[in-house]
Amino acid sequence: DAGVTQSPTHLIKTRGQQVTLRCSPKSGHDTVSWYQQALGQGPQFIFQYYEEEERQRGNFPDRFSGHQFPNYSSELNVNALLLGDSALYLCASSFFGSNEQFFGPGTRLTVL
Amino acid sequence: GENVEQHPSTLSVQEGDSAVIKCTYSDSASNYFPWYKQELGKRPQLIIDIRSNVGEKKDQRIAVTLNKTAKHFSLHITETQPEDSAVYFCAATPDSLLTGGGNKLTFGTGTQLKVEL
Repeated sequence: DAGVTQSPTHLIKTRGQQVTLRCSPKSGHDTVSWYQQALGQGPQFIFQYYEEEERQRGNFPDRFSGHQFPNYSSELNVNALLLGDSALYLCASSFFGSNEQFFGPGTRLTVL
Repeated sequence: GENVEQHPSTLSVQEGDSAVIKCTYSDSASNYFPWYKQELGKRPQLIIDIRSNVGEKKDQRIAVTLNKTAKHFSLHITETQPEDSAVYFCAATPDSLLTGGGNKLTFGTGTQLKVEL
């Protein structure tokens, strides 16, 4: 039973660039949530996707956007990168209607 | 929106002792409270959760208590072992069935637990 997977593991970008992060949910899960975890902090909710639509969104600017594909996998896109976007980006999957969320290993993004 | 506070930020105990981590939340609509363990460089792992219709839940050495009136919940680890050393996060969210199916977790700032030999 495959767990949540994310790619890439690490990424280095420069300010102003754009980045795309990818997530494959746990087998059987249909809902994907994205979180940003700054160093020494708890994860902060970015948004959640179900049925290829954004269902909920946290307090993040429009530079952060996402997509969900028919196979339930998801992408997180960040445009016009800022130094403050440097963080661990976590993907969590769940069944829609279930409370339990299971996290992937994350993508460490460094913006120089 | 929901705000979750977590204390202490660091906790050091001797092996075999108990550890307690406390969280408070602000949104009375929250009724699902999970706890995650995150080892250095690894993903957060769900270790236990509790819903508002129960006051306590136990799983081997780990227990969680909830006081909805006071809006606080706690994680209790007994007979601590070196492998319990990690960062622990509490979180809160309204039940997904009440939000139309989706839910977002609001996390505390984490507690670095160190179990010393």
